Amino acid sequence: KAGVTQTPRYLIKTRGQQVTLSCSPISGHRSVSWYQQTPGQGLQFLFEYFSETQRNKGNFPGRFSGRQFSNSRSEMNVSTLELGDSALYLCASSWGAVAREQYFGPGTRLTVT
Amino acid sequence: TQLLEQSPQFLSIQEGENLTVYCNSSSVFSSLQWYRQEPGEGPVLLVTVVTGGEVKKLKRLTFQFGDARKDSSLHITAAQPGDTGLYLCAGFMNRDDKIIFGKGTRLHILP
Repeated sequence: KAGVTQTPRYLIKTRGQQVTLSCSPISGHRSVSWYQQTPGQGLQFLFEYFSETQRNKGNFPGRFSGRQFSNSRSEMNVSTLELGDSALYLCASSWGAVAREQYFGPGTRLTVT
Repeated sequence: TQLLEQSPQFLSIQEGENLTVYCNSSSVFSSLQWYRQEPGEGPVLLVTVVTGGEVKKLKRLTFQFGDARKDSSLHITAAQPGDTGLYLCAGFMNRDDKIIFGKGTRLHILP
């Protein structure tokens, strides 16, 4: 079974621009979560989608948004990029079991200059 | 605020030594997972513990969930350079349907 895939793997953007990141979950997984990882803050939860609905949301500003499509693929968008948005963005899928184990993709490394 | 504290933050030891890393919280979790992350990659799930007092073994790695389901430990026997990485614990709460990650223990095994 193919793992979680994320595109692109690396991205360089300028402050003020916007960016869209894509995630394809493991086949059969209906839950997709997004995380931001930085050296100082660790792994921080952005939001989770299940069956095209946002099920949970972390404490991030409204510039961060996401959506999920009927095939469970998900995108996240960051508008008006700031220098502090430079981070590794990780997508994880889960089949929604009680234990909620997360299967992560390799991440998208976003650098904002 | 629900927090998962991991200790130590950094650990550098010689190949062949034993080590234990800890994950502590004041909150009770329905389950707890351990992940290992290598540079340039996403975290990889190692184990899930669900029952208080549960012990699981994965080759040279032993995971234990505290009796009160508030803490966990990971013990590595005879560490090898391949064990190098960032070890993350994550607690899941059924009632909130939320997962909380610790900041991790960065482990470096010297050959």
